[in-house]
Amino acid sequence: SAVISQKPSRDICQRGTSLTIQCQVDSQVTMMFWYRQQPGQSLTLIATANQGSEATYESGFVIDKFPISRPNLTFSTLTVSNMSPEDSSIYLCSAGGVSGETQYFGPGTRLLVL
Amino acid sequence: GENVEQHPSTLSVQEGDSAVIKCTYSDSASNYFPWYKQELGKGPQLIIDIRSNVGEKKDQRIAVTLNKTAKHFSLHITETQPEDSAVYFCAASKVNYGQNFVFGPGTRLSVLP
Repeated sequence: SAVISQKPSRDICQRGTSLTIQCQVDSQVTMMFWYRQQPGQSLTLIATANQGSEATYESGFVIDKFPISRPNLTFSTLTVSNMSPEDSSIYLCSAGGVSGETQYFGPGTRLLVL
Repeated sequence: GENVEQHPSTLSVQEGDSAVIKCTYSDSASNYFPWYKQELGKGPQLIIDIRSNVGEKKDQRIAVTLNKTAKHFSLHITETQPEDSAVYFCAASKVNYGQNFVFGPGTRLSVLP
């Protein structure tokens, strides 16, 4: 299994600012994903972070709002841009093998936007 | 696209009793079904998974059963303990087709001492 860390673990941000979340995996992985989890809700996939190419976004999520980087096989970042209170949520990074089988999750980043 | 339903949304059991959570999926091509446990303030933790070529899988007090015909799979926890209290999520996926996980809405399990 992969061990995944995220930074920061939590943050309180002002409306209109941006926050970059880092995700580090302890081994090389093919697939990395970013999810959003609203309080008391299930997980919603934001995008698949592709190494060496642009991320693949799910319906309802756009690159201008959630730019993603994946410079190598162990690291990815998600930026939440021009934040509003509606962006307050838990952001989770996950990593898995080919085709996303057996995904392992990081501890999450708890974001509060005022 | 795939749709995953999960029942019940909340479940309370006495310590030592069994707990069963059931999920149904809509896409008959889905072939991988993991279960995750999420404790308060933590990320989801994979606890067991099953592939479509297997009907049942067991790991100590946890078991998962799959009925491909009916398109449902269930998580069984025996001899529940207070530390089993958490939110449990099921998911469905079509691995080898590049399909992402679709998660169920979750079940909040409370094990009463």
